[in-house]
Amino acid sequence: EPEVTQTPSHQVTQMGQEVILRCVPISNHLYFYWYRQILGQKVEFLVSFYNNEISEKSEIFDDQFSVERPDGSNFTLKIRSTKLEDSAMYFCASSTGGFGANVLTFGAGSRLTVL
Amino acid sequence: QQQVKQSPQSLIVQKGGISIINCAYENTAFDYFPWYQQFPGKGPALLIAIRPDVSEKKEGRFTISFNKSAKQFSLHIMDSQPGDSATYFCAASNNQGGKLIFGQGTELSVKP
Repeated sequence: EPEVTQTPSHQVTQMGQEVILRCVPISNHLYFYWYRQILGQKVEFLVSFYNNEISEKSEIFDDQFSVERPDGSNFTLKIRSTKLEDSAMYFCASSTGGFGANVLTFGAGSRLTVL
Repeated sequence: QQQVKQSPQSLIVQKGGISIINCAYENTAFDYFPWYQQFPGKGPALLIAIRPDVSEKKEGRFTISFNKSAKQFSLHIMDSQPGDSATYFCAASNNQGGKLIFGQGTELSVKP
């Protein structure tokens, strides 16, 4: 079964450092998403991406965050200057998109720990 | 208005029992209501989903009941098994895009 692949599985970084989280979405999917889950809390939407541009973003997705699809297969989330409160599990998801039942397939997540 | 409220936060059920998790929403533009199952260390995985034009959907031991007028929907797990022990999230989205709004999650523990 096709799956969404995320790397790294766990990253530890110092506050203020830049972090890039990588995702390989399912190959025929057109919509890509980043979500995050702070330990013990709900899964929160960060950003959606379609046709090489951001289609929607949440209040969490401020200027410190950026997304990119650099080569047609990878989808990255960059946090420019990490804060302690950025510590969370970050999930990438993809879907065929469109209307109706938009089924998102999630990756296993990248755990980010900011010290 | 974008919130999805989920209860209970945790649930302990005996093997063979029925697990019931409830969700409520406010935004009447929502028209797709999936349930996701998450095991520790894994991403959420779609379990079952419903559109508001039906009041119930059943897949195996899992049933979604949907009450459009009350803006509530629930997940019923019949004959609960220890392997069902996981965190369950309800979610909602509208027809225009894939952004899912998740509930707080319910940690289900099924005791043998």
